[in-house]
Amino acid sequence: QEQLQESGPGLVKPSQTLSLTCTVSGDSINSDDYYWSWIRQPAGKGLQWIGRIHITERTNYNPSLRSRVTISLDTSKNQFSLKLTSVTAADTAVYYCARDNGYLGLAFDFWGQGTMVTVSP
Amino acid sequence: SFELTQPPSVSVSPGQTARITCSGDGLPREYAYWYQQKAGQAPVLVMFRDNKRPSGIPERFSGSRSGTMVTLTISGVQAEDEADYYCQSADSSGPYVVFGGGTTLTVL
Repeated sequence: QEQLQESGPGLVKPSQTLSLTCTVSGDSINSDDYYWSWIRQPAGKGLQWIGRIHITERTNYNPSLRSRVTISLDTSKNQFSLKLTSVTAADTAVYYCARDNGYLGLAFDFWGQGTMVTVSP
Repeated sequence: SFELTQPPSVSVSPGQTARITCSGDGLPREYAYWYQQKAGQAPVLVMFRDNKRPSGIPERFSGSRSGTMVTLTISGVQAEDEADYYCQSADSSGPYVVFGGGTTLTVL
């Protein structure tokens, strides 16, 4: 049973960079069967996929966020990370990390519990 | 761009059948996935590749598709099924992932 846990600052100032890390409990981060994604959800709203990374370090990003997003991988720590630059209040949301299981298609079968990030002076 | 449209809300009485639809022009070419999200919790995958149930998901959950629409059907709805439901697909040209706006299922 894979477990994912997000960590990072809960408060970021406007124009600064949001940085989050997801720690993966099992060994599947080293498998080429999975991608590792970030997904966010503003309060009371729907889900928005931010992007994903593979063990080969191949990445795919949401076109609407691509210019501000970087996702990276550190397999030695079983972690992957999100950096979102030039944040505004519109980036305030619960941020989830999730495993994208290639065996199931492009489905997110394990999720972190989510971490709330507020953009405010 | 690839967009998915869901009704904002669906209401049913316990024991009845709930049908939650998701439409999008890209759906004939791409698989659909469904997630259940209860208040304050992370989403849970309840259907993949249109009509496949992950381990642990009750048999009352089923999925189907017809043209540009996919449907999540919950037969014999129970109070515990009250949640937000999101459809998801992927634009393989990216690829990039798209979610529908979500449907709130209310069990009356």
